[in-house]
Amino acid sequence: QQQVKQSPQSLIVQKGGISIINCAYENTAFDYFPWYQQFPGKGPALLIAIRPDVSEKKEGRFTISFNKSAKQFSLHIMDSQPGDSATYFCAAIFQGAQKLVFGQGTRLTINP
Amino acid sequence: AAGVIQSPRHLIKEKRETATLKCYPIPRHDTVYWYQQGPGQDPQFLISFYEKMQSDKGSIPDRFSAQQFSDYHSELNMSSLELGDSALYFCASSLWRFASYEQYFGPGTRLTVT
Repeated sequence: QQQVKQSPQSLIVQKGGISIINCAYENTAFDYFPWYQQFPGKGPALLIAIRPDVSEKKEGRFTISFNKSAKQFSLHIMDSQPGDSATYFCAAIFQGAQKLVFGQGTRLTINP
Repeated sequence: AAGVIQSPRHLIKEKRETATLKCYPIPRHDTVYWYQQGPGQDPQFLISFYEKMQSDKGSIPDRFSAQQFSDYHSELNMSSLELGDSALYFCASSLWRFASYEQYFGPGTRLTVT
């Protein structure tokens, strides 16, 4: 059973557009929510992360929006570029734990 | 900045053989994690070590074992390999003693079992 549910599975966005990927979770014991970017054959790279006491965090073109009451969080990529084409994973960690629980991943394609 | 180093990058083994994967964490990181990623799948947590002690365990088969050494590098030993073990194996590291949840992944080892 997937503890973190991610959607959509794939996403196509035009260059310069906004890419939005959503994740939902059930267990309120999750305490940390990172997003990872992965290119084919490469390791996941930490993009940005948020704690549940913050509703939004922005780093460059990447923004996490967090809705604690709805148990949802999302990644927004502004001014999307072809180089952003990759698979994106949301994840979560229980408080005090070490195991990252990943969503199913979203394959993002930015058309030039 | 220094990153997580994994070796070998590619490994081809036959069924029932043994494989050893190595991981060198980012300098001064005290915790290493191992993940397995099948084709088109999300990474699955296998095991982690903090200060050379096993600290968390996931869905790691009994045929697999791992340890962290005094220099903090870690090895994942896989015996009696099966076709289903073919996957990307990632090591990640973090600075756990400062309550940092940030895990940084290595480039991975692609294991192919034939």
